[in-house]
Amino acid sequence: KAGVTQTPRYLIKTRGQQVTLSCSPISGHRSVSWYQQTPGQGLQFLFEYFSETQRNKGNFPGRFSGRQFSNSRSEMNVSTLELGDSALYLCASSLFVAGGPETQYFGPGTRLLVL
Amino acid sequence: GNSVTQMEGPVTLSEEAFLTINCTYTATGYPSLFWYVQYPGEGLQLLLKATKADDKGSNKGFEATYRKETTSFHLEKGSVQVSDSAVYFCALSDPGGSGGGADGLTFGKGTHLIIQP
Repeated sequence: KAGVTQTPRYLIKTRGQQVTLSCSPISGHRSVSWYQQTPGQGLQFLFEYFSETQRNKGNFPGRFSGRQFSNSRSEMNVSTLELGDSALYLCASSLFVAGGPETQYFGPGTRLLVL
Repeated sequence: GNSVTQMEGPVTLSEEAFLTINCTYTATGYPSLFWYVQYPGEGLQLLLKATKADDKGSNKGFEATYRKETTSFHLEKGSVQVSDSAVYFCALSDPGGSGGGADGLTFGKGTHLIIQP
């Protein structure tokens, strides 16, 4: 079974621009989560989608948004980029298990550099 | 809220040495616990997990036991190899409180492990 895929793998943008990152989950997984990884803050949860609905959101400004499509693929968007948005953005997918732990499987990430 | 604490390192060991990476947590609910590993330039790979007290997760010679009484999930390996050099993250998923389940994983800062031949 193919793993989580993310595109693009690398991206360079300038301040003020916007960016869209894409994530395709493991086949059959309906939950997709996004994380930001930086050297200073470590891994931080951005948001999670299930069946095209955002179930929860981390503590990030409104410039960070996302969506999920009917085929479970997900995109995240960052508008008005700031230098501090430079990071590795990781996507993870999981099966929905009612009342149980949702083991998350991660993609390789998209490395975003904001100049 | 939930939190995970682990040594950040770098931890430098010789090949075939015994490895312990400590991880302790605080959680509002009854979390599941995970160890992930990240090799240079790659995403996170699930190494092992445990979902209830006294569970032992194991994979590729690594082990960790869910200790509720000490709120710990220490990672151990009896004999490390150069190929084990990576960053190791302890994480929790807490469906009963903020920071887990649909709220996402809560991660420690990561421990950079360096194994020398």
